[in-house]
Amino acid sequence: AQTVTQSQPEMSVQEAETVTLSCTYDTSESDYYLFWYKQPPSRQMILVIRQEAYKQQNATENRFSVNFQKAAKSFSLKISDSQLGDAAMYFCAYRSATNDMRFGAGTRLTVKP
Amino acid sequence: EAGVVQSPRYKIIEKKQPVAFWCNPISGHNTLYWYRQNLGQGPELLIRYENEEAVDDSQLPKDRFSAERLKGVDSTLKIQPAELGDSAVYLCASSLDPFRDTLSNEQYFGPGTRLTVT
Repeated sequence: AQTVTQSQPEMSVQEAETVTLSCTYDTSESDYYLFWYKQPPSRQMILVIRQEAYKQQNATENRFSVNFQKAAKSFSLKISDSQLGDAAMYFCAYRSATNDMRFGAGTRLTVKP
Repeated sequence: EAGVVQSPRYKIIEKKQPVAFWCNPISGHNTLYWYRQNLGQGPELLIRYENEEAVDDSQLPKDRFSAERLKGVDSTLKIQPAELGDSAVYLCASSLDPFRDTLSNEQYFGPGTRLTVT
């Protein structure tokens, strides 16, 4: 079964600085999707960014970008120019070709003013 | 366009009592998911519906949990009787027809129901 590991329970960043959240996963499949979700205290899971496994180019969405290393099964999220509103729990997720979704345990990001 | 709607947002019950959660997915979304999120953890799938059919309920504790999705739209998740360990956030999500393009099938989440069993 696929597993997703987030080794950083908590991270902290200064406002306007850059932070990287780590994620590794285990799978024997070749086709899959990877996601980063943000969950603020309101509990609403918000999609931040996604990466198709067949694409070599790293996904980017404004201040958010990923470093996808397929061979290493690593999928880190970089947040540039951090803002106070970025403070939340961040979950890395893996979705298989059969629509099976697995989440990591999450990283709590604190942004210091 | 309205997102995934869940109710109630909060529920406090005593153990051994029944409880039900309701979810209305995004219009046109054929697939519906129920997840359980324990404190400090990521969501874990309980059951997945494609239209009216439960296609993955392997993680649903069937002795006390049940779910239904009548007419392939709204869904209800029930626990009877509730146990202390059932305290968690129950998230509902929906996505488009998985047979159209499985790999780009985005899941949209509702705000969840926080259940506290005392």
